[in-house]
Amino acid sequence: KAGVTQTPRYLIKTRGQQVTLSCSPISGHRSVSWYQQTPGQGLQFLFEYFSETQRNKGNFPGRFSGRQFSNSRSEMNVSTLELGDSALYLCASSWGATGNSGANVLTFGAGSRLTVL
Amino acid sequence: ILNVEQSPQSLHVQEGDSTNFTCSFPSSNFYALHWYRWETAKSPEALFVMTLNGDEKKKGRISATLNTKEGYSYLYIKGSQPEDSATYLCALREYGNKLVFGAGTILRVKS
Repeated sequence: KAGVTQTPRYLIKTRGQQVTLSCSPISGHRSVSWYQQTPGQGLQFLFEYFSETQRNKGNFPGRFSGRQFSNSRSEMNVSTLELGDSALYLCASSWGATGNSGANVLTFGAGSRLTVL
Repeated sequence: ILNVEQSPQSLHVQEGDSTNFTCSFPSSNFYALHWYRWETAKSPEALFVMTLNGDEKKKGRISATLNTKEGYSYLYIKGSQPEDSATYLCALREYGNKLVFGAGTILRVKS
């Protein structure tokens, strides 16, 4: 059974550019969450999607956006990149959605490491 | 803002030592408590999910307990091995809300 696939794994951008990251969940999983990890910080929640609907959103500026497609694949986009956006972006999938079954464990991808110069 | 606190921040133990970490959270509106292990250069991996007060889970040498009334969970590792070296994350989900992670406890086991 394939795991959670994130692409690209590594990328370098310059300030002001935009970036799109992709996440393919485990087959059958309908919920996708995104997290940001920066040095010294824990995993900061970005968004959660279930069946193409955003269920929850973290405290990030509007430059961070996401979406989910009908096949449950998800993308997140960061526009007008800033140096502080350099981070590891992790995607995780689960079978159920928040509130429907809070016990659903997350299966994480390997992450996309973004460096902004 | 929901705050999940983990202690200690880091821990260095000798092979064979038993150790434990704490995850503290506000006890109101509790829904589920997750524990994950994150090894260097790998993805976080789920260890346990607990939903009921008094829950105890065990996987090999690792076990966890949950007290929702006082707002804490303990993770125990018996007879630590070098391969247990990792960051251990706990995360709280309130009903209908996002999963909020603590900052983690870094465990280093020396052989």
